Amino acid sequence: GNSVTQMEGPVTLSEEAFLTINCTYTATGYPSLFWYVQYPGEGLQLLLKATKADDKGSNKGFEATYRKETTSFHLEKGSVQVSDSAVYFCALSDLFSGGSNYKLTFGKGTLLTVNP
Amino acid sequence: ETGVTQTPRHLVMGMTNKKSLKCEQHLGHNAMYWYKQSAKKPLELMFVYNFKEQTENNSVPSRFSPECPNSSHLFLHLHTLQPEDSALYLCASSQERGTGSTDTQYFGPGTRLTVL
Repeated sequence: GNSVTQMEGPVTLSEEAFLTINCTYTATGYPSLFWYVQYPGEGLQLLLKATKADDKGSNKGFEATYRKETTSFHLEKGSVQVSDSAVYFCALSDLFSGGSNYKLTFGKGTLLTVNP
Repeated sequence: ETGVTQTPRHLVMGMTNKKSLKCEQHLGHNAMYWYKQSAKKPLELMFVYNFKEQTENNSVPSRFSPECPNSSHLFLHLHTLQPEDSALYLCASSQERGTGSTDTQYFGPGTRLTVL
């Protein structure tokens, strides 16, 4: 079945450091790819998405490019802030088994802590 | 972000109690979802509703009983739960288009459930 693998955390950085969180996926067909962020005590918020190969999603200084050849969707930010401390989830959309509905398959999440 | 609201935010219950979780979406979407987020597992999809009809049940035990009276409201009725059911329960909604990749899912803040 489809799956998402993202780098294990936790990741600890100093403010203004460069961030990369790796994400690779296994899927049949061409799913949409997502990064969601979960701040402490809150639900998931969509950070960015890409719907086809070579698309680049971007938001709040974060970027990720849909790479079909490497089946990857790595999250990057050039200069992190303390307020970026959160758990980041990579996800793909796929069909629910045998059905016509789509569901999100998530990676396990990566905890990012940014220190001042 | 108040597009998807969940109540209560925190719930503590004994194994013999009956309680319900409520989700309401104000986005005009036609699909709603329940997810379970526990400490040691990736996010797990539990149920999917399209246009008030349950379209998917992801092998969830019968002690969890969903109800979707209309496209804006979703409930999760709980009875005789086990301590291992303690988790964050997240509700989400989306606008299903029927073809192509799924549209973005918007999440509520979650209900933190503790079963004693």
